[in-house]
Amino acid sequence: AQKVTQAQTEISVVEKEDVTLDCVYETRDTTYYLFWYKQPPSGELVFLIRRNSFDEQNEISGRYSWNFQKSTSSFNFTITASQVVDSAVYFCALSEAQDSGAGSYQLTFGKGTKLSVIP
Amino acid sequence: DTGVSQNPRHKITKRGQNVTFRCDPISEHNRLYWYRQTLGQGPEFLTYFQNEAQLEKSRLLSDRFSAERPKGSFSTLEIQRTEQGDSAMYLCASSLALRELMDEQFFGPGTRLTVL
Repeated sequence: AQKVTQAQTEISVVEKEDVTLDCVYETRDTTYYLFWYKQPPSGELVFLIRRNSFDEQNEISGRYSWNFQKSTSSFNFTITASQVVDSAVYFCALSEAQDSGAGSYQLTFGKGTKLSVIP
Repeated sequence: DTGVSQNPRHKITKRGQNVTFRCDPISEHNRLYWYRQTLGQGPEFLTYFQNEAQLEKSRLLSDRFSAERPKGSFSTLEIQRTEQGDSAMYLCASSLALRELMDEQFFGPGTRLTVL
């Protein structure tokens, strides 16, 4: 069974500080996908990144960066120089893709980390 | 607006009533998903369509729940004989499956259901 753990329930940082959101996952599959989504106060989930299990390269997109480590089953997300607009709940998610193409591709989400950036 | 849309955005109903929600996915997306999110939790998968075929249903989807996607475009989720435990945000997502086995899902704004 697949599982995603986001141990940090809430984090508060002062604007311009860096912050890392942790994500640990469990899966028995060798092929899987990891995602991060942002849910601002308005409520709509916003896709941030997808990473497949064969690509361990870290990725940087502006102030966002992601560190994928299969050895520790972690996919952590860092925001550099945080801004008030980064305040949101961030979800890490996992999907065990079916090679036959017959799978559901459902996402299993963690419980989320609420980030508050204080001006 | 070319994103996923959901209607209504809010629904208040009395216990025992039936409710129906609609989801319009991003045009040409062939996969459509329904999730449920309760306060302080991440979304939980309910069901999934590939075009008009419903390919998987979660154990969370009791026999009071039914979903359809009749022409492979919009989808409806109906809850019969609502219970207070059904109160949640119901999220719809869509994706376009091309070469990748797992593509990113784009979510709608959700329908918040309150059962009194």
